[in-house]
Amino acid sequence: DIVMTQSPDSLTVSLGERATINCKSSYSVLFSSDNKNYLAWYQQKPGQPPRLLIYWASIRDSGVPDRFSASGSETDFTLTISSLQAEDVAVYYCQQYYSTPFTFGGGTKVEIK
Amino acid sequence: EVQLVESGGGLVQPGGSLRLSCTASGFTFSSYEMNWVRQAPGKGLEWVSYIGSGGGTTYYADSVKGRFTISRDNAKNSLYLQMNSLRAEDTAVYYCVRGRGSSGLNWFDPWGQGTLVAVSS
Repeated sequence: DIVMTQSPDSLTVSLGERATINCKSSYSVLFSSDNKNYLAWYQQKPGQPPRLLIYWASIRDSGVPDRFSASGSETDFTLTISSLQAEDVAVYYCQQYYSTPFTFGGGTKVEIK
Repeated sequence: EVQLVESGGGLVQPGGSLRLSCTASGFTFSSYEMNWVRQAPGKGLEWVSYIGSGGGTTYYADSVKGRFTISRDNAKNSLYLQMNSLRAEDTAVYYCVRGRGSSGLNWFDPWGQGTLVAVSS
């Protein structure tokens, strides 16, 4: 199984400041046949189901604010919130879909300082 | 609007069974792969099972293999999860999620609101 490791576990950031979340996979999730990284990011607000933010490691889903961006390749990935807003308080998860079982990182909790 | 609505959760004793259902609307259900993902109270996300658009291909997490069965009825726009031999560690909110992406390799969007399964004596 591919193990996904997120860091940090939690993050406290001032409003308007940058938040950076890291995700590392135990095996490369880059498919050589299509040169795509099989990685997604989700946001889960308290009491709500997760919401897709990013797929193919860097493609923002429809309706996701452009303050959310993501990058990385093979085993190392980053989600960045460029200017933290109050509504961004949530737990963020990465997920690999390179192979089954599909696996998630442990989550990073983002709070306001 | 794409919607996924789960039902069938509840309290069950260890060793018991439950059948979860998910009713889909707002999209052509028969064209999409589907999954179940669960979340234990206060914990992270765990993928449980996948089913292909026609129902002929299924995958399971090792933690549920041999105990859970995923199925679908495309005529009824419905997804199911038959859960047998339930254990305390199966206690979680179970989400019905639509798969997107290449065949058999899914990211998940959207997610239903979830249904809580509690396994306890």
